[in-house]
Amino acid sequence: GENVEQHPSTLSVQEGDSAVIKCTYSDSASNYFPWYKQELGKGPQLIIDIRSNVGEKKDQRIAVTLNKTAKHFSLHITETQPEDSAVYFCATPGAAGNKLTFGGGTRVLVKP
Amino acid sequence: EPEVTQTPSHQVTQMGQEVILRCVPISNHLYFYWYRQILGQKVEFLVSFYNNEISEKSEIFDDQFSVERPDGSNFTLKIRSTKLEDSAMYFCASSFGQGGTGELFFGEGSRLTVL
Repeated sequence: GENVEQHPSTLSVQEGDSAVIKCTYSDSASNYFPWYKQELGKGPQLIIDIRSNVGEKKDQRIAVTLNKTAKHFSLHITETQPEDSAVYFCATPGAAGNKLTFGGGTRVLVKP
Repeated sequence: EPEVTQTPSHQVTQMGQEVILRCVPISNHLYFYWYRQILGQKVEFLVSFYNNEISEKSEIFDDQFSVERPDGSNFTLKIRSTKLEDSAMYFCASSFGQGGTGELFFGEGSRLTVL
């Protein structure tokens, strides 16, 4: 099955700085790459996703980049704010495309 | 905004007891899932359900687990004889399209504590 590795596991940044989280995946047939944010005591929530026909997608302060050749994709958060503090998960469906396999998660702490 | 709702939010049970976790997916969604998250760890896939049958299950989803959509709105996860290692947060999710093609909407989770 699909294997998704996510780094780093924790990330502490100063408010206003940028944060970058990287994921690598194993199944080259994967074609959908979402990022989920999980706040304390809540379920994961989609924040941005990208499909394999584009290399980058931006939505205000967050962006996702995809390198299909190297089989990795990254989440970029610019101008971080305290409310960005959460656990972030990457995911990918693999060839079958009928479920998401999640990475191990990155705990982001934005220090004011 | 439509949302996935789960009950109970927290259940404490004795080892060996049966537990049923309930979910009401978003009404026009066609695909339903259960995931679990052991404290501080990754979100793990358990099972997907479509057209009133299981479409895929993980190795975690053994004979102790079952799912059901009894009445067209609820989606339940039953653990027949709970073990200590079943203690986790269980998330229900639903999607309109197939799970690997678009957004999954998650509920807030049911925390299961097995003593």
